[in-house]
Amino acid sequence: DTEVTQTPKHLVMGMTNKKSLKCEQHMGHRAMYWYKQKAKKPPELMFVYSYEKLSINESVPSRFSPECPNSSLLNLHLHALQPEDSALYLCASQKGIRDRGSEQYFGPGTRLTVT
Amino acid sequence: TQLLEQSPQFLSIQEGENLTVYCNSSSVFSSLQWYRQEPGEGPVLLVTVVTGGEVKKLKRLTFQFGDARKDSSLHITAAQPGDTGLYLCAGAGGGSNYKLTFGKGTLLTVNP
Repeated sequence: DTEVTQTPKHLVMGMTNKKSLKCEQHMGHRAMYWYKQKAKKPPELMFVYSYEKLSINESVPSRFSPECPNSSLLNLHLHALQPEDSALYLCASQKGIRDRGSEQYFGPGTRLTVT
Repeated sequence: TQLLEQSPQFLSIQEGENLTVYCNSSSVFSSLQWYRQEPGEGPVLLVTVVTGGEVKKLKRLTFQFGDARKDSSLHITAAQPGDTGLYLCAGAGGGSNYKLTFGKGTLLTVNP
């Protein structure tokens, strides 16, 4: 099973709202990722968690706040977003960040629209 | 900064034709992954190549990793409308296998 699940599938939120995106994997992977993807562009890395600790923050604005409650779950808390934050948000997981050749498996994404 | 040049960016062909997508870099990658993505969905992993010179086949798709591990190609034989999608190559490099360097993608349309 190489499944990464994400909820919700679609989300529309106003600029003053607070919402959360959720991601789950049961492959025993110890690395989890958040990406942002604009239409017809490749994914852009936002955050990397390794063994439930934040390893990398790619200079993401503080209105995006990641959280890893346990090794299977990854959340992305959203607050005071801007319309330009509208995008497909992808979660991915990997066996480990230092495993050569280990693949990243992506979830189906959450389509976020900020109004 | 590692770069992965992917070409062509757009490709529109008729069912039954063959095509090749290329990813090239001046950097060495420890592994390279190919993904296919449909609109509004996440990328789906097709293959990972690790060894220089490696060739992997997945039905009508053939993937090759260059001898120097700097480039890769995806060849599709007898393309079908179901092959339509965005194809992404992504390289993992050096000691930081976590950070994938993505190509810009190839948007493939196969017309019936």
